[in-house]
Amino acid sequence: AQTVTQSQPEMSVQEAETVTLSCTYDTSENNYYLFWYKQPPSRQMILVIRQEAYKQQNATENRFSVNFQKAAKSFSLKISDSQLGDTAMYFCAFMSMNYGGSQGNLIFGKGTKLSVKP
Amino acid sequence: EAQVTQNPRYLITVTGKKLTVTCSQNMNHEYMSWYRQDPGLGLRQIYYSMNVEVTDKGDVPEGYKVSRKEKRNFPLILESPSPNQTSLYFCASSWSGSPLHFGNGTRLTVT
Repeated sequence: AQTVTQSQPEMSVQEAETVTLSCTYDTSENNYYLFWYKQPPSRQMILVIRQEAYKQQNATENRFSVNFQKAAKSFSLKISDSQLGDTAMYFCAFMSMNYGGSQGNLIFGKGTKLSVKP
Repeated sequence: EAQVTQNPRYLITVTGKKLTVTCSQNMNHEYMSWYRQDPGLGLRQIYYSMNVEVTDKGDVPEGYKVSRKEKRNFPLILESPSPNQTSLYFCASSWSGSPLHFGNGTRLTVT
C-alpha cells in the first residue's frame, strides 16, 4: 500500500522569503502522479502543482516549484517570494496510474500548516 | 463554470437520523469520490465510482453508502450517523489520471 509522509506539521516563513515543505512517499509502482494541494482557511482544496513520475524535469508554477527525487521517493515543494495569501494547510498527495480502483484515489499526507508572517 | 457542487455546506444532526450529502459535477467526469478530513489525519477516501452504477469502497467506508445512478451525481448517505462521523467531507471528480476537482466541503456535526 502506498503511504505519504509529511514530517513538518507546522512551519512559518517571513513574507518575501523562501520556504520548502517536505514530502516523502512509499510505493512499489513505477508510474504515478504526485500533487501538492493548498487548503486556505476557506477550506477549499486548490491544486498547486502536479508532477508525473515519468518526467525527470521538475514541475514549476510561477512561485511554486518542486524537487522530485524519484529514487529517494521525495517530493518537496518550494515557495519563493512568500506572500500572506500563501498561509494555508498544504497537502502532498500520491495517485497511481494503474487502471482500476487505485486510479483516481489520492493518498494524502497529514498536511503541513504554513504561516506567512508580515 | 466547471465545478463540483456539494450541499449542504454545514449540517448538524443527531445520532441515528439518516442524512444525505449531495454532490454534483458539470464536467462530464467519469470518476467521482468522497473523502473525509480529520485533524492530524489528512484526507481519507470513503467511496469512489468509476462510472454510472459502478461504485467501490475506499479506505474508510464503514457507516456510509453511495449511489451513482447518473453520471453527474454522487450522493453520500449516512443511514445511522454516529458522533465519530463528525468530520469535514469532500466530494471530488476527475477524468482518468487528471487532477481531482474538489467541492467546497460539508462540515458535519453529529451529536
